[in-house]
Amino acid sequence: NAGVTQTPKFQVLKTGQSMTLQCAQDMNHEYMSWYRQDPGMGLRLIHYSVGAGITDQGEVPNGYNVSRSTTEDFPLRLLSAAPSQTSVYFCASSYSGLAGGGTGELFFGEGSRLTVL
Amino acid sequence: EDQVTQSPEALRLQEGESSSLNCSYTVSGLRGLFWYRQDPGKGPEFLFTLYSAGEEKEKERLKATLTKKESFLHITAPKPEDSATYLCARMDSNYQLIWGAGTKLIIKP
Repeated sequence: NAGVTQTPKFQVLKTGQSMTLQCAQDMNHEYMSWYRQDPGMGLRLIHYSVGAGITDQGEVPNGYNVSRSTTEDFPLRLLSAAPSQTSVYFCASSYSGLAGGGTGELFFGEGSRLTVL
Repeated sequence: EDQVTQSPEALRLQEGESSSLNCSYTVSGLRGLFWYRQDPGKGPEFLFTLYSAGEEKEKERLKATLTKKESFLHITAPKPEDSATYLCARMDSNYQLIWGAGTKLIIKP
C-alpha cells in the first residue's frame, strides 16, 4: 500500500533556484493538497485541487505553482526559492475533500524537508 | 481572525496518568472539527471528526469531545506509544482546514 508518496524527502536549494516537489497517490482520490509546516505554527494550506484540471489557492500561495494533469499526481513548483520557503512540505489527499461529508479524512505523505540558503 | 488554539503546547505525563488536551476556536457555526496524530518525521495521521456539539468519538485510550467553542482530547491511562504531537483543525467556509500548532505529548514509562 503506497498511499501518498512524496519526493524528494530532503532538498537544499540556493536562493533563486527553482524546483518541483513531487506528490503521487494511488488511491484514486479526487482531492489533493499541499501544506507547509513551520515550527510553532499550524499547517498552512498552499494550493489544493478537487480533480484533474482544477486547482485553487490556499492561505499561502505566493511563490508556488501547481497543476493537476492526472488524478494521481499533484506537483508543487517553487519558482524562485527564498529563505522564507524553508519548511517541511506535506501533500495530502482524500476521496472527495471535506465538502463530501463523512469523516473527511486526509491521507498525508511523509513530507519533504526543504532548506533554502 | 479565524484561529485554532491548542493548549498546552507540551505535556509530560507518567504512564497511566490520564489528562486532556484542549482545542479552542473563535468562529461560530462550526462545520467540523478534526483531530490528527503526528509522529516525528512523519505526516499527520487521522484520528477523529466531530460535527456537532455534544458529539463524542473514541479510539482505544483516546476520546474526543466537542462543545460550541472547544474540543477536548481525553487520554486515559496513556502508554509511552501514545507519545506524539496531537493536532486539531476546524473546517472553514471553503471546506478547507485551519490548523492549530499542536500539543506535544510525552508519556514517560
